[in-house]
Amino acid sequence: AQSVAQPEDQVNVAEGNPLTVKCTYSVSGNPYLFWYVQYPNRGLQFLLKYITGDNLVKGSYGFEAEFNKSQTSFHLKKPSALVSDSALYFCAVDTGTASKLTFGTGTRLQVTL
Amino acid sequence: ETGVTQTPRHLVMGMTNKKSLKCEQHLGHNAMYWYKQSAKKPLELMFVYSLEERVENNSVPSRFSPECPNSSHLFLHLHTLQPEDSALYLCASSQEFRGIGELFFGEGSRLTVL
Repeated sequence: AQSVAQPEDQVNVAEGNPLTVKCTYSVSGNPYLFWYVQYPNRGLQFLLKYITGDNLVKGSYGFEAEFNKSQTSFHLKKPSALVSDSALYFCAVDTGTASKLTFGTGTRLQVTL
Repeated sequence: ETGVTQTPRHLVMGMTNKKSLKCEQHLGHNAMYWYKQSAKKPLELMFVYSLEERVENNSVPSRFSPECPNSSHLFLHLHTLQPEDSALYLCASSQEFRGIGELFFGEGSRLTVL
């Protein structure tokens, strides 16, 4: 069975500082990895995905994520956080043949001035 | 016009009521999904439809009944719900059921069961 772990319930960052939101996964086979963001009272929005190729994936709003196969991780990063980045972030994994995308429990990112 | 539209955005119902949630996608996608989002829990996949056929039902109680009359519309019929069913119900769509494409979500229907 595939699974995703987001070890931090909340990450606090000052605006302008770099941010990292952690994600580790467990699958049989090659993983397809995704990050989604949820702003208050909204649905989830796709940020980026890793399918194959370059381990560093760039996505929307200046976010990027690094796929690390040996550590089975796919951490979300941004060089300089904005207050408007404050939201709930979900990591998800699929193998392309599974019948569902498995989501983590989410990490709340709080960016303060 | 957003890609995936859900109505109503908020719903309060008693345990004996019957109500329905509606989802419409304007993206030409072939697969549609219902997810349940509860606080501090992973998103729970409830139902998947591919080309209007149900392809997944993740042990969801029968008080939840999905309907997919065409590839653009998805309903979730609710009957004799329990207070623990209170949650945000998210509809999503994707180009294909299996594959590597991302999901497009609606804004959700916040359900409160009294």
